[in-house]
Amino acid sequence: DAKTTQPTSMDCAEGRAANLPCNHSTISGNEYVYWYRQIHSQGPQYIIHGLKNNETNEMASLIITEDRKSSTLILPHATLRDTAVYYCIVRAPLRGSNYQLIWGAGTKLIIKP
Amino acid sequence: DTEVTQTPKHLVMGMTNKKSLKCEQHMGHRAMYWYKQKAKKPPELMFVYSYEKLSINESVPSRFSPECPNSSLLNLHLHALQPEDSALYLCASSQVGGANVLTFGAGSRLTVL
Repeated sequence: DAKTTQPTSMDCAEGRAANLPCNHSTISGNEYVYWYRQIHSQGPQYIIHGLKNNETNEMASLIITEDRKSSTLILPHATLRDTAVYYCIVRAPLRGSNYQLIWGAGTKLIIKP
Repeated sequence: DTEVTQTPKHLVMGMTNKKSLKCEQHMGHRAMYWYKQKAKKPPELMFVYSYEKLSINESVPSRFSPECPNSSLLNLHLHALQPEDSALYLCASSQVGGANVLTFGAGSRLTVL
């Protein structure tokens, strides 16, 4: 199974771009990278996912390296409400037609005023 | 309706009690999940239901018994739990196949005395 490694914690100034790195050096060719975040005492919230190409939505951008061994989640203009634990996840096949999310340990992102 | 609703939010039970956690979604999702999350750890998959049938049981002890009465509801029946079962229990739902993006509920915080 692919695993992800993330920094334990990061700080970012409010209004600046927050760049969260993730290593997934053993990822297989058909395994997607997902990002979720979890604000304290809430359930995880989906942010974005991708396979090979860079992706952008209203919340964030996902940059995946050409060899797919690492990726970066970018929050373009961080606000205090973006303070959360951010999980980098690889979606891998499970038994039958099921998939499993293999969660990283998460990065605690603190946005400072 | 884009929410997954979990009840109760908090539950305290003794080791001899029988209780249930409930989860409801009205997004038309046909896959539903139970996760367990210990403090400062990522969620761990427990069960997956696909089209109301149990498709994945990640070697969960029999004191946890899932039930999917219909496509909108998911229950987790609890009996003879141990103090180490104290955790946040998260329910999630998704489409079957495709991007497999999970929508999580806010969780039920369980304390076993």
